[in-house]
Amino acid sequence: DTGVSQDPRHKITKRGQNVTFRCDPISEHNRLYWYRQTLGQGPEFLTYFQNEAQLEKSRLLSDRFSAERPKGSFSTLEIQRTEQGDSAMYLCASSPDRGKRTGELFFGEGSRLTVL
Amino acid sequence: AQTVTQSQPEMSVQEAETVTLSCTYDTSENNYYLFWYKQPPSRQMILVIRQEAYKQQNATENRFSVNFQKAAKSFSLKISDSQLGDTAMYFCAFMKLGNQFYFGTGTSLTVIP
Repeated sequence: DTGVSQDPRHKITKRGQNVTFRCDPISEHNRLYWYRQTLGQGPEFLTYFQNEAQLEKSRLLSDRFSAERPKGSFSTLEIQRTEQGDSAMYLCASSPDRGKRTGELFFGEGSRLTVL
Repeated sequence: AQTVTQSQPEMSVQEAETVTLSCTYDTSENNYYLFWYKQPPSRQMILVIRQEAYKQQNATENRFSVNFQKAAKSFSLKISDSQLGDTAMYFCAFMKLGNQFYFGTGTSLTVIP
């Protein structure tokens, strides 16, 4: 069990460019979550998947954000036409949906986005 | 909608002393989970302790324990014998099974040598 991994760890981009982040969850976890965190704030929910199905998406999320989990394993989060306000840490977490640790989130180290 | 409130943005404690972090939440649900997560500086978030709402007994994990008051919708974290490695941001979180997590804004805890 290697934990949740995210790539890249840091991304600097110019306003208007597209960026994509990847998350590899713990292999036996069916649930996968994306959160955004800005300095001094708690994680803000973006979306989550049960296997390959995207079950919920934050109403705060603009149409420039899209997430996929095509085979129920890894997930990607794409931000199109980035804006400076998108600068944040993007956190991925996975969770088992059965067993003793049901519901517990296991976080990756995050992908930090800086939009210039 | 569920909300989680942490009213203490910053706290400090002397090494080896005890500190309590506060958390309140608002929900109309009866069955849910509560968590405390720790985020050390520049490191990933990890679980400290969890509490199932249907359990009356307060959860404990070594030096960490909670005071869960369901009627008052309060979920405080007590850290005993504080250690330098406890310095971190602490987030209280609420989850209804099968639903998203809701996090508070966090409490920055500094353990002073």
